[in-house]
Amino acid sequence: AQKVTQAQTEISVVEKEDVTLDCVYETRDTTYYLFWYKQPPSGELVFLIRRNSFDEQNEISGRYSWNFQKSTSSFNFTITASQVVDSAVYFCAHTGGFKTIFGAGTRLFVKA
Amino acid sequence: EPEVTQTPSHQVTQMGQEVILRCVPISNHLYFYWYRQILGQKVEFLVSFYNNEISEKSEIFDDQFSVERPDGSNFTLKIRSTKLEDSAMYFCASSEGRVAPGELFFGEGSRLTVL
Repeated sequence: AQKVTQAQTEISVVEKEDVTLDCVYETRDTTYYLFWYKQPPSGELVFLIRRNSFDEQNEISGRYSWNFQKSTSSFNFTITASQVVDSAVYFCAHTGGFKTIFGAGTRLFVKA
Repeated sequence: EPEVTQTPSHQVTQMGQEVILRCVPISNHLYFYWYRQILGQKVEFLVSFYNNEISEKSEIFDDQFSVERPDGSNFTLKIRSTKLEDSAMYFCASSEGRVAPGELFFGEGSRLTVL
């Protein structure tokens, strides 16, 4: 069965600090996809990134970067030089078949 | 930019009443989903729908729930007899394909409050 674990419930940082959000998954699927979504205080879910199980290349997009390591079943997300606008709940998710399972989320507070 | 739209944005209902939540997925998407999020908790999968039938559902999606695509654009979630614990934000989502599903495009959610 699929399972996504985000062990960090809340993280608090000061603006301009780097922060890494951890995500560990369990799956029996040989082909699957991993995602990160952001949920700002307004409540909507905003797509950040998708990775498929065959693509272990790390990715950088501006201040965001993702480290996918299949050997440890982890898909961690780093925000460099955090900003107050990064304050949100971040969800890691796994898609296998027709179902996407979300982790419990990590609430990030970025203080000015 | 195409988007998933949901109505109503907030509905308050009495326990035992029927509720229908409506969604208009992105027009060229083929896969449709409902998720729910109880306040402060994780986003939970309810059901996926493809080719006019349910393709997968979770244990949450019991006989009180049903989904329908009554026409070419709408995708609805019906709760027959609401319970207090059905109070949550319900998100509709759609995606392009099965082989490479891409990201789920989420609507802004419908908040259901059951009194």
